[in-house]
Amino acid sequence: EAQVTQNPRYLITVTGKKLTVTCSQNMNHEYMSWYRQDPGLGLRQIYYSMNVEVTDKGDVPEGYKVSRKEKRNFPLILESPSPNQTSLYFCASSLFWGTGETQYFGPGTRLLVL
Amino acid sequence: ILNVEQSPQSLHVQEGDSTNFTCSFPSSNFYALHWYRWETAKSPEALFVMTLNGDEKKKGRISATLNTKEGYSYLYIKGSQPEDSATYLCALYTDKLIFGTGTRLQVFP
Repeated sequence: EAQVTQNPRYLITVTGKKLTVTCSQNMNHEYMSWYRQDPGLGLRQIYYSMNVEVTDKGDVPEGYKVSRKEKRNFPLILESPSPNQTSLYFCASSLFWGTGETQYFGPGTRLLVL
Repeated sequence: ILNVEQSPQSLHVQEGDSTNFTCSFPSSNFYALHWYRWETAKSPEALFVMTLNGDEKKKGRISATLNTKEGYSYLYIKGSQPEDSATYLCALYTDKLIFGTGTRLQVFP
């Protein structure tokens, strides 16, 4: 089944404890991105990747890192989480970027930073 | 930064009612406009990708129109059913996807 998977789905952590949220897609998509969803705000892009080893900042990159060593995986790293990073996170992928392709979203990761 | 606005924020309708909501944007400089359906506890799923002025898409009871000159897109649901309850997101596809805040629809039996 074609899908985007994220792990974990739910996470409670404490300020400063490094964590990684994994994202994987099995559709051979070149483009992958991370979004966060906060109440009253639209989905906001954190980082995106056009292809392997090519990543760039989105609108709200502060406090996050990403890597794209393989085409299928795009982990989101919070080196020192803070309470303002409590949010719902979505990973998404598409075949490539540039002509309006549909984004396929993962199931979301709900993060609480205490 | 482009601002994509959706209205209303929320909507409550009875089963069988038809309804529509709006996505408005200030620019015609984009590749496409996306509509996504987002059910609670699930991931957003694509409904439509609209690319041309005057474009109209339909999937069952749901249809959408796009007017790039006036800067809006409408999503229509004919004969709403409880399973249509979800948040409907629109997003402008430029050098990135710019999402509106969504319209939350609840359909009561």
